[in-house]
Amino acid sequence: DTEVTQTPKHLVMGMTNKKSLKCEQHMGHRAMYWYKQKAKKPPELMFVYSYEKLSINESVPSRFSPECPNSSLLNLHLHALQPEDSALYLCASSRLAGVDEQYFGPGTRLTVT
Amino acid sequence: SQQGEEDPQALSIQEGENATMNCSYKTSINNLQWYRQNSGRGLVHLILIRSNEREKHSGRLRVTLDTSKKSSSLLITASRAADTASYFCATDEDYNTDKLIFGTGTRLQVFP
Repeated sequence: DTEVTQTPKHLVMGMTNKKSLKCEQHMGHRAMYWYKQKAKKPPELMFVYSYEKLSINESVPSRFSPECPNSSLLNLHLHALQPEDSALYLCASSRLAGVDEQYFGPGTRLTVT
Repeated sequence: SQQGEEDPQALSIQEGENATMNCSYKTSINNLQWYRQNSGRGLVHLILIRSNEREKHSGRLRVTLDTSKKSSSLLITASRAADTASYFCATDEDYNTDKLIFGTGTRLQVFP
């Protein structure tokens, strides 16, 4: 199984809502990532988890809160987002952090109204 | 700051032609990767080339790496309409290998 799954596929939320994005992989990978991608731009790294510990936070605003409950799951909790946070949010995993190819999920298209 | 810059930004070719995309980066790297993204979907890993390698092949793909010029190229031979996608190079940073930084991307359109 070389698949990374993400739910939901689409999410529309108001600026006062709280929602969560979920990501799952069953490849035994020990590194997981969150990226944000705006239209016609490259993905921008947000967070890296290595062995279930947060190893990189790219100065992401606190209204984005990552969580790694176990080695297969990665969540991104959203609260009090702004319209400019609307984007495609991509989850990825790799065998180890940094040195390996990354496997990406299909993404969650987030719209903040 | 962004690691890789790619050119061209957009490329349109006919089926059967070859497509070449170039990537330049700024700092020392351990490896460079190429990814493909179909519109609005996740990225697919194509090929990884390490800093001590100069050329790598995978099917119709050929990647070169010139660390002295801090540049890489991706060649797709005998292109197909299904190759239509955005292509990104991605590099780590010599001092922080956990982090992958993507280039600006090349949008490839292959006409049947």
